[in-house]
Amino acid sequence: SQKIEQNSEALNIQEGKTATLTCNYTNYSPAYLQWYRQDPGRGPVFLLLIRENEKEKRKERLKVTFDTTLKQSLFHITASQPADSATYLCARDNAGNMLTFGGGTRLMVKP
Amino acid sequence: GAVVSQHPSRVICKSGTSVKIECRSLDFQATTMFWYRQFPKKSLMLMATSNEGSKATYEQGVEKDKFLINHASLTLSTLTVTSAHPEDSSFYICSANDNANYGYTFGSGTRLTVV
Repeated sequence: SQKIEQNSEALNIQEGKTATLTCNYTNYSPAYLQWYRQDPGRGPVFLLLIRENEKEKRKERLKVTFDTTLKQSLFHITASQPADSATYLCARDNAGNMLTFGGGTRLMVKP
Repeated sequence: GAVVSQHPSRVICKSGTSVKIECRSLDFQATTMFWYRQFPKKSLMLMATSNEGSKATYEQGVEKDKFLINHASLTLSTLTVTSAHPEDSSFYICSANDNANYGYTFGSGTRLTVV
């Protein structure tokens, strides 16, 4: 079956460090992967999209990579801040323009 | 940017009653909207795809008679949980894509509690 998985349920890091979150997919080659942030009791907020022919994409302190050989996307937050604490979700496209989400990684940035 | 408004944000209802959740695209037209369900500390699970002017497409295992979807206009989709039971208690979220941006815009979610 086609799966998208985020290996870590939770990640704790110290303020100022770089957070790296992993998203792996199997049995499918998505045209793009998306990353979202979700705060408790709120809907997800779109952060970045990376296409299969793009190696890397950046937005301010965020960086996403897409490795089609490893079937993996990495999401980096540099100079992390306590305000970055949230759940981060990766998602892949499906037919019909719907998204399938990974399980999410809860990031906690400690001051 | 694209905005999706979802109401109500919280609702408590008695077992056996029905609850309607609205999802509106405020500044764009959405021929397709998506309804998700999320349990505590779990990811979003797609329930159905709402299609303007036609029947919704439900994911496997989702009861179409239980979760009624209506997409009567290009800016409004509604999800009605019929004859709600405590196991229907969950966080329901809608989303749409304005096709101008690449990401999907999500509503703020509805916390349904059935007592």
